Amino acid sequence: GENVEQHPSTLSVQEGDSAVIKCTYSDSASNYFPWYKQELGKGPQLIIDIRSNVGEKKDQRIAVTLNKTAKHFSLHITETQPEDSAVYFCAASNLESGGSNYKLTFGKGTLLTVNP
Amino acid sequence: DAGVIQSPRHEVTEMGQEVTLRCKPISGHDYLFWYRQTMMRGLELLIYFNNNVPIDDSGMPEDRFSAKMPNASFSTLKIQPSEPRDSAVYFCASRRFLGHNYGYTFGSGTRLTVV
Repeated sequence: GENVEQHPSTLSVQEGDSAVIKCTYSDSASNYFPWYKQELGKGPQLIIDIRSNVGEKKDQRIAVTLNKTAKHFSLHITETQPEDSAVYFCAASNLESGGSNYKLTFGKGTLLTVNP
Repeated sequence: DAGVIQSPRHEVTEMGQEVTLRCKPISGHDYLFWYRQTMMRGLELLIYFNNNVPIDDSGMPEDRFSAKMPNASFSTLKIQPSEPRDSAVYFCASRRFLGHNYGYTFGSGTRLTVV
């Protein structure tokens, strides 16, 4: 099955700096890579996702890059703010039509702390 | 849209007791997932359903765990008998197969403590 490794496990940055979280996956058939943000006491929330036919995707201060050859993808947060402090999870899945692999395999998470 | 609704939010029970966690997915979503979150193991998929039918239960730890989805708007995860190592946060998530939004919507979770 799929295995997703995520680094670092903790990340502390100063407000306004950039933050980068990296993930690698093992199954070359995976083609969907979402990122989730989990705040204390809440469930994970989807913040951005990317499919394998795209190398990069941006949404305001958040961007995700994908390198299919190397089987790794990264989350980039620019101009970080204290409210970005949370646990971030990467995940991978195979969305091939007709397949039953719609389950997401998650990384272990990164605790991001943005210091004012 | 009320989102995915889980109950209870917190559950404290004694070892050996039966525990039932409940989930109401978003209306129209045809996939439902149960995940368990612990510090050591992160988010683990326990089981998922498609159109109320269990598709993959390979993540269910042992026979003490069972899950049902009697209709499109309700699912339960039952642990009988419960053990202290079952203490975790249990999340339910749902998604819709069709459309361009592939992401899951998670509930707020049930924090289970077995003493």
